Amino acid sequence: GENVEQHPSTLSVQEGDSAVIKCTYSDSASNYFPWYKQELGKRPQLIIDIRSNVGEKKDQRIAVTLNKTAKHFSLHITETQPEDSAVYFCAAFQAGTALIFGKGTTLSVSS
Amino acid sequence: KAGVTQTPRYLIKTRGQQVTLSCSPISGHRSVSWYQQTPGQGLQFLFEYFSETQRNKGNFPGRFSGRQFSNSRSEMNVSTLELGDSALYLCASRNPGGTETQYFGPGTRLLVL
Repeated sequence: GENVEQHPSTLSVQEGDSAVIKCTYSDSASNYFPWYKQELGKRPQLIIDIRSNVGEKKDQRIAVTLNKTAKHFSLHITETQPEDSAVYFCAAFQAGTALIFGKGTTLSVSS
Repeated sequence: KAGVTQTPRYLIKTRGQQVTLSCSPISGHRSVSWYQQTPGQGLQFLFEYFSETQRNKGNFPGRFSGRQFSNSRSEMNVSTLELGDSALYLCASRNPGGTETQYFGPGTRLLVL
């Protein structure tokens, strides 16, 4: 089955810096890769996703890149703000299977 | 549309007991997945139900089971509780055939003493 590795497990940045979180997946048939943000005590919420027919997607300060050949995808957050502090999860999916998550990255943005 | 709801939100049980958790998906969503969240382990997939049938299953012991009703509401049951079962249990719903986006409920926090 699919296996998703996520790095780093913790990430501390200064406000205004960029943050990058990287994930690798094992099943080349996976074709949908969402990213979720979970604030303390809250449910995970989708922040951005990418499908395998696209190499990059951007939404304001966040972007995701996908390298199908290498089977890895990354989340980029620019101009980080304290409210970006949360746990971020990547995931991989293909039709007929389950959405499998990485173990999460705790991002801390200090002002 | 109302979001995914879960009941109860908090639960305290003792070892050896059993527990049933409930999840109501977003209206029109026929797929419900369950995840166990513990510190350091992320979101571990338990199982997925679609049209009252278990479609996918994660690597959890048989003590963990679930079912789905005709209205798409789902329940999961854990029998013979162990201390290690203490976790946040999240359910998520999606609409297969629509987007793949999965929407999470608020979770049920289970503490096993």
